[in-house]
Amino acid sequence: KNQVEQSPQSLIILEGKNCTLQCNYTVSPFSNLRWYKQDTGRGPVSLTIMTFSENTKSNGRYTATLDADTKQSSLHITASQLSDSASYICVVSARSSASKIIFGSGTRLSIRP
Amino acid sequence: NAGVTQTPKFRVLKTGQSMTLLCAQDMNHEYMYWYRQDPGMGLRLIHYSVGEGTTAKGEVPDGYNVSRLKKQNFLLGLESAAPSQTSVYFCASSTNVFDEQFFGPGTRLTVL
Repeated sequence: KNQVEQSPQSLIILEGKNCTLQCNYTVSPFSNLRWYKQDTGRGPVSLTIMTFSENTKSNGRYTATLDADTKQSSLHITASQLSDSASYICVVSARSSASKIIFGSGTRLSIRP
Repeated sequence: NAGVTQTPKFRVLKTGQSMTLLCAQDMNHEYMYWYRQDPGMGLRLIHYSVGEGTTAKGEVPDGYNVSRLKKQNFLLGLESAAPSQTSVYFCASSTNVFDEQFFGPGTRLTVL
């Protein structure tokens, strides 16, 4: 069964600290992996996208990694800011099918001043 | 550029009532999607469309119908609402199945 598991479910860190969010998946055949940020009361917004051949992708203070062999991805946030408080969702797509886009349940990140 | 817009933002229905949620995008995207988001769960695909006049079922299609009469609009209908359909509904669009999806702001629906 195609699944995407994220950990932790929630995380609280102090402003300025770094953190890493995890995503494990069993989606097959793998096409790509995206990380989205979802602010409270809004729709998700894409942060990064990686295909099978890419193992790291950065977007400002966000850096995503992908290990296609172990089917794991991580999202590292550097020097966190209050505006980083949001849910971060890992999304994995199987090849050639819109119906095989699997969303993780997200990690709820809270940044404290 | 408005991106993806959804109407209405909030709605309360009684069991058995019907309603239509409207999604509009101005990016000329071929693909459009309807998702529902429930607490503690990932977004789940209800229906999607790969172009004007075409629709397909997603993971949780029961109790919903869709139509894509115009490329820019994707409608989601509930013929007879049930409390289990209480959720936040998101519409999204993309150029193709591999590209980034752009999401609307969501519609919060409560069925009493």
